[in-house]
Amino acid sequence: QVLLRQWGAGLLKPSETLSLFCDVSGGSFSGFYWTWIRQPPGKGLEWVGDISHSGYTNYTPSLKSRITILLDTSKKQVSLKLNSMTAADTGVYFCARVPSYGSGKGALDIWGQGTLVIVSS
Amino acid sequence: HSALTQPASVSGSPGQSITISCNGNSSDVGNFNLVSWYQQFPGKAPNLLIYEVNKRPSGISNRFSGSKSGNTASLTLAGLQAEDEADYFCYSYVNSRTFEKVFGTGTKVFVL
Repeated sequence: QVLLRQWGAGLLKPSETLSLFCDVSGGSFSGFYWTWIRQPPGKGLEWVGDISHSGYTNYTPSLKSRITILLDTSKKQVSLKLNSMTAADTGVYFCARVPSYGSGKGALDIWGQGTLVIVSS
Repeated sequence: HSALTQPASVSGSPGQSITISCNGNSSDVGNFNLVSWYQQFPGKAPNLLIYEVNKRPSGISNRFSGSKSGNTASLTLAGLQAEDEADYFCYSYVNSRTFEKVFGTGTKVFVL
């Protein structure tokens, strides 16, 4: 059974950098994209960015200047860094897996538990 | 890229069928068969219901079905049950140089 376990600091001050981590257990990195999604309080889901098993990244244009997604295959870990945080970045952040082929292709088939991130002075 | 458009809410009585639309354009829904649908309960992570427009992962009830026509994808819930009351989101790839993906605005389903 594949599990994604998220961790990282959830309370930040404006201008600080968000660092979140997503540990993958019970499965492989190969053949998947690893995605970050966020959800402001009471609102819908927003695709933030993703990274392939080979390290190729895609970011949402509105965050591209502030975001870095990395893969550590030795730790089976995906990370998200978002700098210059503001209150507008407050919300729940999820990591998720996307199969590149086969069952669930192109879909977010397994999700982490979510991390509430609050940006407040 | 703008979010895909979904109705804010849809309601139905137990046993009825309801359909949720997901309106995009020729660069997202209309350009790919990589539309998926998710169910989300309050305080929980979303759960995959449908992928590649109309395929169900193992373990998902056949009461959930998906389809697409042109730039609009749809999710149908047949035999509505109280446990179906939740938020539903569509998701699609976007044909752009940035290889973006985009979610729908979300639909709250109420079971009357």
